[in-house]
Amino acid sequence: AQKITQTQPGMFVQEKEAVTLDCTYDTSDPSYGLFWYKQPSSGEMIFLIYQGSYDQQNATEGRYSLNFQKARKSANLVISASQLGDSAMYFCAMREGPPVPIAGNMLTFGGGTRLMVKP
Amino acid sequence: EAGVTQFPSHSVIEKGQTVTLRCDPISGHDNLYWYRRVMGKEIKFLLHFVKESKQDESGMPNNRFLAERTGGTYSTLKVQPAELEDSGVYFCASSQDRREGFNQETQYFGPGTRLLVL
Repeated sequence: AQKITQTQPGMFVQEKEAVTLDCTYDTSDPSYGLFWYKQPSSGEMIFLIYQGSYDQQNATEGRYSLNFQKARKSANLVISASQLGDSAMYFCAMREGPPVPIAGNMLTFGGGTRLMVKP
Repeated sequence: EAGVTQFPSHSVIEKGQTVTLRCDPISGHDNLYWYRRVMGKEIKFLLHFVKESKQDESGMPNNRFLAERTGGTYSTLKVQPAELEDSGVYFCASSQDRREGFNQETQYFGPGTRLLVL
């Protein structure tokens, strides 16, 4: 079964409008973290935002916010006031497991959503 | 502060040849990960180093792949002999030790190495 599902392979948004990129996840672990990364055409993966499973509030970072609905197991990324530079692939990822001293945990990625911002 | 760097950015080799990819993590990051994305598929975990030790290599596809991290600094990923299905983008990521209070453990990615096996 897919652990991270991004159902929108591609999306268009008008410049200056808000857009929501969907992400649902599947885990039985009570402790996990959810990440969003942006991959522009240049190829690098840029960390955008993080949500921990025990965080009480939705994460926000500038124009990025995460709509975290734990019961639904969804962690949608909301980009407000889209800019042309937001055109990129967006990946949702999950880290499963409790915080482990010293050692980290691998990330599991969704298939990505290609966002295209129209002028 | 310099980010994660990877070398080469692109590599085109023939089936049966050997290729070595290099990753330099962010200075001070003990955790180093290798991931890859083959065409049309998700980014998949390959392995994880904590300093110079392999913490998890469950994602390594077969014994043609060999990863090392001598001295706990940079890492290399060697593919020998390369096969057509090894083509894809190989990403390296690093993160800080969770003992430092970084419960979030954000992984910072390099730009990737695009490998094409002909």
